[in-house]
Amino acid sequence: EAGVVQSPRYKIIEKKQPVAFWCNPISGHNTLYWYRQNLGQGPELLIRYENEEAVDDSQLPKDRFSAERLKGVDSTLKIQPAELGDSAVYLCASSLGLDGGNEQYFGPGTRLTVT
Amino acid sequence: DQQVKQNSPSLSVQEGRISILNCDYTNSMFDYFLWYKKYPAEGPTFLISISSIKDKNEDGRFTVFLNKSAKHLSLHIVPSQPGDSAVYFCAASVGSNYQLIWGAGTKLIIKP
Repeated sequence: EAGVVQSPRYKIIEKKQPVAFWCNPISGHNTLYWYRQNLGQGPELLIRYENEEAVDDSQLPKDRFSAERLKGVDSTLKIQPAELGDSAVYLCASSLGLDGGNEQYFGPGTRLTVT
Repeated sequence: DQQVKQNSPSLSVQEGRISILNCDYTNSMFDYFLWYKKYPAEGPTFLISISSIKDKNEDGRFTVFLNKSAKHLSLHIVPSQPGDSAVYFCAASVGSNYQLIWGAGTKLIIKP
């Protein structure tokens, strides 16, 4: 069974430029998460989707971050414009959702460097 | 305010011995706890979980213990193997709320 797929794996951009990350979750997983992880810290949730609906985006910096999950499958996270402090690893995860348990399955992440 | 704390940034253990990783939490509403393992340049991988109705859950070499009164859980790995060298994250959630609150991780180094 294929795991969570993310692209690109690495991205280097200059500040004020836009950037987008893509995620394809495990087939059949209704819940999709985007996390940001800084060095030496645990992942921080940015947004959670149940199918195509964003059910928790309270920690998403909405002035510059946006996300979408059209058709309830793959998802895109965008930053525009990027700032130096956005340098981090952006992780996508998926889970069965509802009564499927809390176990989340992660992709390899996208390491973003903003210069 | 960190609700989930892993106070040891790193731990070094001899191969074949027991590794014990600790995690403390402050929110008494947490009732589901998970451990994840992370290798460099990879996403975290689910390892083992425990519900608050239990005080122990075992899966092969991995055992998680939960002490609700102390708001403390630990992960035991016996025997430790070189492939266990990784960063281990503790995470917690409240019931059906799927938001996981994560600790900062402990880097486990298994010495040959």
